[in-house]
Amino acid sequence: GAVVSQHPSWVICKSGTSVKIECRSLDFQATTMFWYRQFPKQSLMLMATSNEGSKATYEQGVEKDKFLINHASLTLSTLTVTSAHPEDSSFYICSARDLGIAARSSYEQYFGPGTRLTVT
Amino acid sequence: AQKITQTQPGMFVQEKEAVTLDCTYDTSDQSYGLFWYKQPSSGEMIFLIYQGSYDEQNATEGRYSLNFQKARKSANLVISASQLGDSAMYFCAMREGTKLTFGTGTRLTIIP
Repeated sequence: GAVVSQHPSWVICKSGTSVKIECRSLDFQATTMFWYRQFPKQSLMLMATSNEGSKATYEQGVEKDKFLINHASLTLSTLTVTSAHPEDSSFYICSARDLGIAARSSYEQYFGPGTRLTVT
Repeated sequence: AQKITQTQPGMFVQEKEAVTLDCTYDTSDQSYGLFWYKQPSSGEMIFLIYQGSYDEQNATEGRYSLNFQKARKSANLVISASQLGDSAMYFCAMREGTKLTFGTGTRLTIIP
């Protein structure tokens, strides 16, 4: 249980275009989802926290107009990188919290497999 | 100041030996938690172990144990009887509220 999927797993787009990444909790309801960015050989940096039905909370330094997050249902959150540029190339990972009894810890986050974005 | 510090960028360990990965943290919260995740080259984050700040006993999950020293603010991961499949990046993370802050990671390589 507690599986999170991401789509696509990798994407190449041209500079100036927008790309949407989906994050789905497959077998549980996720009231909260998180989006992280990981540059090569670096750590995961939290970009934003997404709560179902409300606006996302962005971390300091993350442009909310550039990284649009929508959490329209309890199983789906999307991240749209608008007007992408080469410096946006990164590995984007989402995670979700399972508040059900299946969680080993009520604070555990289940991670998706990640999406590798390359902007040319 | 770094909230999570992992001082070992890389480690090489002989197969079947035990290995300790260091993690120190900094927080003023009384309620917090420490996680360890494994990230293989494929990129997914695999949960290994969790320790809550109020947990009196050190957490264990199979071959993984967490050496939690609250006064020293350290939460080292111990892997017993290492296997070739343990080669990966390992991240320590701290939970404050619902947010996770990750350390810079340690690349562990198991030598046959």
